[in-house]
Amino acid sequence: KQEVTQIPAALSVPEGENLVLNCSFTDSAIYNLQWFRQDPGKGLTSLLLIQSSQREQTSGRLNASLDKSSGRSTLYIAASQPGDSATYLCAVNDSGGKLIFGQGTELSVKP
Amino acid sequence: DTAVSQTPKYLVTQMGNDKSIKCEQNLGHDTMYWYKQDSKKFLKIMFSYNNKELIINETVPNRFSPKSPDKAHLNLHINSLELGDSAVYFCASSQDISGASGTDTQYFGPGTRLTVL
Repeated sequence: KQEVTQIPAALSVPEGENLVLNCSFTDSAIYNLQWFRQDPGKGLTSLLLIQSSQREQTSGRLNASLDKSSGRSTLYIAASQPGDSATYLCAVNDSGGKLIFGQGTELSVKP
Repeated sequence: DTAVSQTPKYLVTQMGNDKSIKCEQNLGHDTMYWYKQDSKKFLKIMFSYNNKELIINETVPNRFSPKSPDKAHLNLHINSLELGDSAVYFCASSQDISGASGTDTQYFGPGTRLTVL
């Protein structure tokens, strides 16, 4: 049974810092891995999708990596801003065609 | 224009009642989903429909019955509501069965916060 874990559960950093969020999964048989952002009281916004054959994806200040064999992904945020404050969710799309989510990392970027 | 919309945004009701949550997507997608986010913010898939056919049905009590009248709509009906049903319910859609092409992204609605008293 696929399980997704995110570390840390919460993170507080000063503005301008570079930071890394971690995601691990137990079953490497995945189609893709996705990172989402959730703002309080809102839905999820897709940030990056990495196919199982890819190693990384970049969008602006965000870079996500995938090491399928070790069951790990990282989301790197460069030059963090207060507007980056949100909960970041990692989800793997397994062979059943469904998203299995981690519990998220709550990020707070202080001005 | 809202891509995936849900109504209502908030729903407060008594135990034992029956209620429905509606979802509509205007993205032309073939696949729609329902997720439940519990009080600990853990998101878990409940159902998935592709072209109006049920393709994923997780271990969900049969009090929950999804209905897809057409590809653009996936409604969730809940009978005999219980306290443990209190959660935020999210609808989502994707172009196809996520994973079939390895490139599909799911687009989420804003959520419906259900409170059962």
